[in-house]
Amino acid sequence: KNQVEQSPQSLIILEGKNCTLQCNYTVSPFSNLRWYKQDTGRGPVSLTIMTFSENTKSNGRYTATLDADTKQSSLHITASQLSDSASYICVVSASGGSYIPTFGRGTSLIVHP
Amino acid sequence: EPEVTQTPSHQVTQMGQEVILRCVPISNHLYFYWYRQILGQKVEFLVSFYNNEISEKSEIFDDQFSVERPDGSNFTLKIRSTKLEDSAMYFCASRRQGGSNEKLFFGSGTQLSVL
Repeated sequence: KNQVEQSPQSLIILEGKNCTLQCNYTVSPFSNLRWYKQDTGRGPVSLTIMTFSENTKSNGRYTATLDADTKQSSLHITASQLSDSASYICVVSASGGSYIPTFGRGTSLIVHP
Repeated sequence: EPEVTQTPSHQVTQMGQEVILRCVPISNHLYFYWYRQILGQKVEFLVSFYNNEISEKSEIFDDQFSVERPDGSNFTLKIRSTKLEDSAMYFCASRRQGGSNEKLFFGSGTQLSVL
């Protein structure tokens, strides 16, 4: 069964600090992995997409990594801002067959001033 | 950037009542989805819709649920007889193509509360 596990479940950091969120998956055959940001009461918004051949991708202060061998991804946030407070969701899609992606439970990040 | 819009933002209903949640997907998108998120839990897939028919549905999407694209712009989710456990945030999403690399655009959701 396709599964996506994220850690930590929640994280509190001070403004300006860096943090790293983790995602492990068992989706197969792997097609791509997306990180979404979900602000409270809003729909998820895509931050990055990683395909099999990509190891690192950046989007501003967000940097995602992918290790397709160990089936792990991380999202690193640099110089956090108060507006980074949100849930970060790892979503993995399989290739072939169903295009319905598998969602993780998300990591709730709170950035304190 | 174009947006998926959902109405209403909040819906309160009595158990056993019918509700219709409305969505306007992005205009040139062809694939439409409904997801739900129970408070504190992960986003769950309900149904996908393409070419005026359901292409996939989850086991959550039972006979109480139906979807419709009544015209060229709206995409609706109907819950025939609501239960307490239907209380959740319901997200509509769309994408231009059906391939797995295509980005899903989500609406802001409808918070459904069943009393």
